[in-house]
Amino acid sequence: EAQVTQNPRYLITVTGKKLTVTCSQNMNHEYMSWYRQDPGLGLRQIYYSMNVEVTDKGDVPEGYKVSRKEKRNFPLILESPSPNQTSLYFCASSLWGGRSLFFGPGTRLTVL
Amino acid sequence: KQEVTQIPAALSVPEGENLVLNCSFTDSAIYNLQWFRQDPGKGLTSLLLIQSSQREQTSGRLNASLDKSSGRSTLYIAASQPGDSATYLCAVTHQGAQKLVFGQGTRLTINP
Repeated sequence: EAQVTQNPRYLITVTGKKLTVTCSQNMNHEYMSWYRQDPGLGLRQIYYSMNVEVTDKGDVPEGYKVSRKEKRNFPLILESPSPNQTSLYFCASSLWGGRSLFFGPGTRLTVL
Repeated sequence: KQEVTQIPAALSVPEGENLVLNCSFTDSAIYNLQWFRQDPGKGLTSLLLIQSSQREQTSGRLNASLDKSSGRSTLYIAASQPGDSATYLCAVTHQGAQKLVFGQGTRLTINP
């Protein structure tokens, strides 16, 4: 089944404890991206990647890192999480930039 | 900076009605526009994608139109059903098909 998977789905952590949210797709897509969704602010793009080893900042990259060492994986790294990073995070992929996006199920992160 | 607006924020209609959802954007230099559906607690599902050179796209009971010069798109849903209840989001892609900017969505309720 073609899909985008994210792990974990739910995470409660404390300020400053490094964490990684994994994202994987099995569709051989070149484009992958991360978003956060907050009430009243909608979905905002954090980072995107056009292909392996090519990443760039979206609209809200502060406090986040990404890497794209393999085509299928695009992990989101929070080196020192803070409470303002409490949010619902989505990973998405598409065949290439500008094609229909496939979204993962989301990761609900709470930083205390 | 691109801004995407969806009005109304919420809409409630009886089953069977035809309805129109609106999306407007401030910068007409877009690559494409996508409409998504989001069910509570779930990820987004792509419904329709309109390239900047196209005027409309159809899928089943859904029809999306694009007027790039006026910065507007509409999603027309024919013969609405309770299963159409969800939040509908539009997103524009620009900057070489890399960055996406989302509207805040319209929460649609179809009453049986």
